Amino acid sequence: GEDVEQSLFLSVREGDSSVINCTYTDSSSTYLYWYKQEPGAGLQLLTYIFSNMDMKQDQRLTVLLNKKDKHLSLRIADTQTGDSAIYFCAESSYSSASKIIFGSGTRLSIRP
Amino acid sequence: NAGVTQTPKFRVLKTGQSMTLLCAQDMNHEYMYWYRQDPGMGLRLIHYSVGEGTTAKGEVPDGYNVSRLKKQNFLLGLESAAPSQTSVYFCASSPDPRVNTEAFFGQGTRLTVV
Repeated sequence: GEDVEQSLFLSVREGDSSVINCTYTDSSSTYLYWYKQEPGAGLQLLTYIFSNMDMKQDQRLTVLLNKKDKHLSLRIADTQTGDSAIYFCAESSYSSASKIIFGSGTRLSIRP
Repeated sequence: NAGVTQTPKFRVLKTGQSMTLLCAQDMNHEYMYWYRQDPGMGLRLIHYSVGEGTTAKGEVPDGYNVSRLKKQNFLLGLESAAPSQTSVYFCASSPDPRVNTEAFFGQGTRLTVV
């Protein structure tokens, strides 16, 4: 079945770039997402990319998609303390668009 | 605009007790989902619904039941709670995924079964 994998932790220095990586197994994935979860809160959609795109940029966020390797990454430029959160990679497909499959989440912590 | 509202926010149950978690959305979304979040395991889909009166099983449906009698509400029931069901439960809703796939999440319900 579908599977989405991420590393559990990432620590970066304030002002540096953060790169969070994700791999997925469903070759029919149509949409790939990055969600952010702050402490004690639900998830909020940060950005998403269609599978026919290689890159999407939105202010400090850059999403890169390597469809051949089924690899997705989220780059956060100039990381700030407010970026501390858990970041979830997720995917869905036209064939199962009613199901959004999430990874385990990467906890991003910021060092001063 | 309240979005997705979950009640209760916290609950402690004894093994064998039953309870119902309520999810309400005011965005007229067709799709609704129940997930559980456990450390290191991300969000796992329990059940979902693609419209009023419909429900379907997700990855981890055992021990749970759901109902979608009204479009705006999606109920998650635990008939006989077990300690393995200690978790944080999230409800989410989304519009027709052919148009917009963003899912909107509630704040979560922290359930402890002792």
